[in-house]
Amino acid sequence: EVQLLESGGGLVQPGGSLRLSCAASGFTFRSYTMNWVRQAPGKGLEWVSSILGETDSKWYVDSVKGRFTISRDYSKNTLYLQLDSLRAEDTAIYYCVKTIVPLQAYFDSWGQGTLVTVSS
Amino acid sequence: EIVLTQSPATLSLSPGERATLSCRASQSVTTKLAWYQQKPGQAPRLLIYDASTRATGIPARFSATGSGTDFTLTISSLEPEDFAVYYCQHRANWPLTFGGGTKVEIK
Repeated sequence: EVQLLESGGGLVQPGGSLRLSCAASGFTFRSYTMNWVRQAPGKGLEWVSSILGETDSKWYVDSVKGRFTISRDYSKNTLYLQLDSLRAEDTAIYYCVKTIVPLQAYFDSWGQGTLVTVSS
Repeated sequence: EIVLTQSPATLSLSPGERATLSCRASQSVTTKLAWYQQKPGQAPRLLIYDASTRATGIPARFSATGSGTDFTLTISSLEPEDFAVYYCQHRANWPLTFGGGTKVEIK
């Protein structure tokens, strides 16, 4: 059974930093594209970033380029998202998401989400 | 960036009725489109991918068609558990984007 367990969310001031983690199990972690998708309170879904399996190519939505960094640790089967220079508009639930097959960006397994609140 | 526009924003229907949801892309995504269902307090669930392929465990009352820029999700006969928000998402290129969602509510 696929399991994705996020952690690291919390309250942070504007301009601050957080690192989100996602512990993955139940599948061949290195083979799959892993992703972060966020949802602001009461709003829709927004894709944030992806890291492709095997190649580790990285992609970001424009609004987070230069501020967020996606990475993965194959020895720990863990996905990360480093959030720097945080803004109020980054407030959201951040979901760790696995793709349905390694190179097709459809999201078939989701974590429970971790809430990031950016406020002074 | 490909913009996905979903309509209507809200669909008010009764159990047993047919629901028809639309997703329109600002440029062709061929058949690289998925549909998700999200209930309050839950993560989204993948329903459909490649425009018309049901994901594992998705009931046959969910079907979808479309290619290019126009896509439709149909729920043939609404069950009580189908009242939720539905999103479309493309994977044609980067950045990936989602539509704004259609809320299917009980009339």
